[in-house]
Amino acid sequence: DIQLTQSPSSLSASVGDRVIITCRASQGIGNYLAWFQQKPGKAPKSLIYYASILQSGVPSKFSGSGSGADFTLTISSLQPEDFATYFCQQYHSYPRTFGQGTKVDIK
Amino acid sequence: EVQLVESGGGLVQPGGSLRLSCAASGFTLNSCWMNWVRQAPGKGLEWVANIRQDGSEANYVDSVEGRFTISRDNAKNSLYLHMNNLRAEDTAVYYCVRDYNVIPFDFWGQGTLVTVSS
Repeated sequence: DIQLTQSPSSLSASVGDRVIITCRASQGIGNYLAWFQQKPGKAPKSLIYYASILQSGVPSKFSGSGSGADFTLTISSLQPEDFATYFCQQYHSYPRTFGQGTKVDIK
Repeated sequence: EVQLVESGGGLVQPGGSLRLSCAASGFTLNSCWMNWVRQAPGKGLEWVANIRQDGSEANYVDSVEGRFTISRDNAKNSLYLHMNNLRAEDTAVYYCVRDYNVIPFDFWGQGTLVTVSS
């Protein structure tokens, strides 16, 4: 199985900060990586797929990059509604796997 | 408006069975691969299974292989997860999730809670 390791596991940031979350795969997955945002008590929401393609309706402050085994999610200017947990997920092979999550909270 | 509405969760004893349902609306179910993803309380996300548009192929995570069966009835716009021999570690919120064309996991239902306990 492909393991995905996110870092950091949690971070504290202020409104307006630039936030970068990394996701490392245990083997190459091409660009078959997606990012999701989840708020407490809610279902996850798709943000990015194919490593860097923004899902329809997702604001451009979110961006994704990377290929192979190393990927990043960047939030250019953190807003109050962005405080949440973020997950990466690979869909290169079965079983589909997720990173452990990165919780972004208010400093 | 796209909607995925899960139902069928509840409390079940270890070794018991449960069938989850997902009612789809606002899109053509038979054009999409469909998934079940679960989340144990306070934990991360775990993909459970998926099924091809016509039901001819299904894939499972090892921990449920042989115990869970994913199925679909496109005429009823419904997805199912039949769960047998349930264990405490199957306790989770189960989400019905759509793959739309090349976009994986693009839309999620609100989830249904399954609790396995005596």
